[in-house]
Amino acid sequence: NAGVIQTPRHKVTGKGQEATLWCEPISGHSAVFWYRQTIVQGLEFLTYFRNQAPIDDSGMPKERFSAQMPNQSHSTLKIQSTQPQDSAVYLCASSPLGGLSAETLYFGSGTRLTVL
Amino acid sequence: GDSVTQKEGLVTLTEGLPVMLNCTYQTIYSNAFLFWYVHYLNESPRLLLKSSTDNKRTEHQGFHATLHKSSSSFHLQKSSAQLSDSALYYCALSEGYNQGKLIFGQGTKLSIKP
Repeated sequence: NAGVIQTPRHKVTGKGQEATLWCEPISGHSAVFWYRQTIVQGLEFLTYFRNQAPIDDSGMPKERFSAQMPNQSHSTLKIQSTQPQDSAVYLCASSPLGGLSAETLYFGSGTRLTVL
Repeated sequence: GDSVTQKEGLVTLTEGLPVMLNCTYQTIYSNAFLFWYVHYLNESPRLLLKSSTDNKRTEHQGFHATLHKSSSSFHLQKSSAQLSDSALYYCALSEGYNQGKLIFGQGTKLSIKP
């Protein structure tokens, strides 16, 4: 079991460009979560899916961020017109039972996004 | 809304001394779960321990924490720090049943010196 796989590990974009981040959850896991990690804010919840359906996107900046889960083996986080304040480590996590309370989240290694 | 507060951004200790990382939370849910996740450099964050039972001590890998609902606290402790404990520690809250989303605190960086 390779764990949660995130690609790319590092991404550098210019201001105004688009960035797409990829996540492959652990096989058989029903829920996928996206978090953003910064020194100031810590781990901020962005959005999550259960059995590919969007459940809660309350943490997503509405204007430029979107997430999809087209099949059970991958999810994408897309940031349009990237801004320097979007620079962060974006972490994906999966859980086995669909995001029920008290489940362990299994995190990937993250994608470090740098917007110049 | 629900929130988790970790007041210390950085804790620096000498090896062998006791560790205590503070975590307080706010929630309207009586059946909330509290978690500690640890993030070592160049690794992925992973679960250290969790609890939902009031006043019960939970232990794992030498660390322990007790959920105190009366004071909304879930402090992480260890009797003797080791160099290998240096990492970023996050306290997190799950709001209740059928709510998989975790609300994390800002994190505390623990640095252990020889």
